[in-house]
Amino acid sequence: AQSVTQLDSHVSVSEGTPVLLRCNYSSSYSPSLFWYVQHPNKGLQLLLKYTSAATLVKGINGFEAEFKKSETSFHLTKPSAHMSDAAEYFCVVSDRVDSNYQLIWGAGTKLIIKP
Amino acid sequence: GAVVSQHPSWVICKSGTSVKIECRSLDFQATTMFWYRQFPKQSLMLMATSNEGSKATYEQGVEKDKFLINHASLTLSTLTVTSAHPEDSSFYICSARAPRQGRSYEQYFGPGTRLTVT
Repeated sequence: AQSVTQLDSHVSVSEGTPVLLRCNYSSSYSPSLFWYVQHPNKGLQLLLKYTSAATLVKGINGFEAEFKKSETSFHLTKPSAHMSDAAEYFCVVSDRVDSNYQLIWGAGTKLIIKP
Repeated sequence: GAVVSQHPSWVICKSGTSVKIECRSLDFQATTMFWYRQFPKQSLMLMATSNEGSKATYEQGVEKDKFLINHASLTLSTLTVTSAHPEDSSFYICSARAPRQGRSYEQYFGPGTRLTVT
């Protein structure tokens, strides 16, 4: 069965330093992968998605992620953290179940930005 | 991009009453909508998948009679929490699936509804 593992429940970085949020997945076929962000008391927002085109995907707010099939990873990065990046981040894989597509969610990583 | 709205954004109700939450896709038709529940500091848990004009498919462990889902049109799905109890207090999120583009469908999420049962 498909699954998503976010390796860190919390990540704390200083403002202006790089961000790395790790995600590994298991999938029996070529998956579509997503990163969503959820700010406190706000709805989910799609940061970026991979759908078998370029393996390096650029998203909004300076985030990007690289699909590495050999490592079954889809880590999210940003060169320089901003205070507004503090939020919960979810790695998601699209899974086909009974000819329907469902999203399989990681447990989430809380990103904390220190001034 | 596609927009999904939810109403209300938060609701407080008394134990034993029922609450209806609406989910609308504002600028696209969604043949499939999903209802999620999110507990504090946890990931989203899929409750059910609803296809327009047919009965919803509930995930294992979700009570059909307690969480009534109606997807009467291509832009509206409703979740009714019947005879609510304090343990039903949670953050409920809906999403609507946009028409397929290439290999993938994309889901757009509503802002969520915070339900508090007293």
